[in-house]
Amino acid sequence: DAKTTQPPSMDCAEGRAANLPCNHSTISGNEYVYWYRQIHSQGPQYIIHGLKNNETNEMASLIITEDRKSSTLILPHATLRDTAVYYCIVRADNTDKLIFGTGTRLQVFP
Amino acid sequence: NAGVTQTPKFRILKIGQSMTLQCTQDMNHNYMYWYRQDPGMGLKLIYYSVGAGITDKGEVPNGYNVSRSTTEDFPLRLELAAPSQTSVYFCASRRQGWGGYTFGSGTRLTVV
Repeated sequence: DAKTTQPPSMDCAEGRAANLPCNHSTISGNEYVYWYRQIHSQGPQYIIHGLKNNETNEMASLIITEDRKSSTLILPHATLRDTAVYYCIVRADNTDKLIFGTGTRLQVFP
Repeated sequence: NAGVTQTPKFRILKIGQSMTLQCTQDMNHNYMYWYRQDPGMGLKLIYYSVGAGITDKGEVPNGYNVSRSTTEDFPLRLELAAPSQTSVYFCASRRQGWGGYTFGSGTRLTVV
C-alpha cells in the first residue's frame, strides 16, 4: 500500500471550511483514497473515499488532484463536533487490509 | 441492527493472565479486523479475516490469536498478557466489494 503524509495538526474556526491535505505521491492506479476520522477515544468513522474524480457526500468533499499524488478533505462548515483525528489512507480495491498512519489532529475552535 | 459490538469495554489483567476479547457483528459482513491503538498513536492491524474459517496476520500479530468459526464472531485471544499489550483494541468489519469499515467502540485493556 502507498504511504500517505499528513500534517500532524491543524486549527479551524467554527463555521469556516476545514481543508485537510494529504500527500500520496506513490499511489498506484488501482488505489483508492479513503478518509476516516476518530473522535476522542471512539472507533474510527468512515467519511468518504474516491479514485480519480472528486466526491461529495453529506459529511464532506474529497478533492483529488489530476495526477492523484495528493488530495484534500473539505469539511464545508466545521463545527466543534468535528474536532477529531483525521486519517488519509490509500488502499487498493483488491487489498483486504486497511493500514492507518498517524493522521491530522483537527481542532475546531469557537 | 447493532453494528459491531465489543465486550468487555474495560479490563485490567495481571501479567501472565489470559483473556478473550469478544467481537460480533450483525451486518453479515465477510471481512473482520482487529486493531490496537496505543496512546497518542494510530491504529495497528493485529489480525484479520476474509470469511469464516480464514484468518491472516496483520502488522503486529505476536502475542495474539484469533479464530473465525462463524460469520458473526471474531474473538481475539491473549494467552500470556504482557504490559506491552496495554492498549485500546478495536474490532471492525466490512462487506465484500466496499472499503468502508464499521468499527466497534473499543476495549480498553490494562496489563499490570
